Amino acid sequence: DAKTTQPPSMDCAEGRAANLPCNHSTISGNEYVYWYRQIHSQGPQYIIHGLKNNETNEMASLIITEDRKSSTLILPHATLRDTAVYYCIVRDRTSGSRLTFGEGTQLTVNP
Amino acid sequence: NAGVTQTPKFQVLKTGQSMTLQCAQDMNHEYMSWYRQDPGMGLRLIHYSVGAGITDQGEVPNGYNVSRSTTEDFPLRLLSAAPSQTSVYFCASSNLRLAGGPNTGELFFGEGSRLTVL
Repeated sequence: DAKTTQPPSMDCAEGRAANLPCNHSTISGNEYVYWYRQIHSQGPQYIIHGLKNNETNEMASLIITEDRKSSTLILPHATLRDTAVYYCIVRDRTSGSRLTFGEGTQLTVNP
Repeated sequence: NAGVTQTPKFQVLKTGQSMTLQCAQDMNHEYMSWYRQDPGMGLRLIHYSVGAGITDQGEVPNGYNVSRSTTEDFPLRLLSAAPSQTSVYFCASSNLRLAGGPNTGELFFGEGSRLTVL
């Protein structure tokens, strides 16, 4: 699976959009981009995933660049409960659920 | 909705003791795995299984054994606990097939088991 690079920490004001970047310059054509988050030592929680098209669900939006070398997770209206570590992961169909977690981005939402 | 259930939630062991962390899922998932997470770090894969009777090593398998006799259960055994195994352990499960249709291929995690080895 391709390696990802994320900033170690970010801050966001409550109610504003949080934009979390991820670089995955060595991603291959059959690898998906997944985002998980972990709130204060709880088990990680799935947020969203995509292959090459932008995706949106009730939690977030995922924007993947045309060359697929980077992506951005967008939390449109961040709340205090969105404070967590966010992990960007790339995986292919053959890796099953053998996810490789980096150190992620600690997002702190401030009141 | 039980999902993935881990027991115990907390455990303190002495060096050299053995124990088993239990993991059970009720979603009929083919894939199950164990991760450990040390302070300030991401999760590292210990062992995983793609179905009953099949197990394989992950990134950090030394000191741990697993078995998968049923689809539902995937216990993790520490044969002779060491202080370096002090960590939070997470079990996870998933459908094997990725994406497409209603299957997101996401991993479902348990709440974690915090182990301290003295």
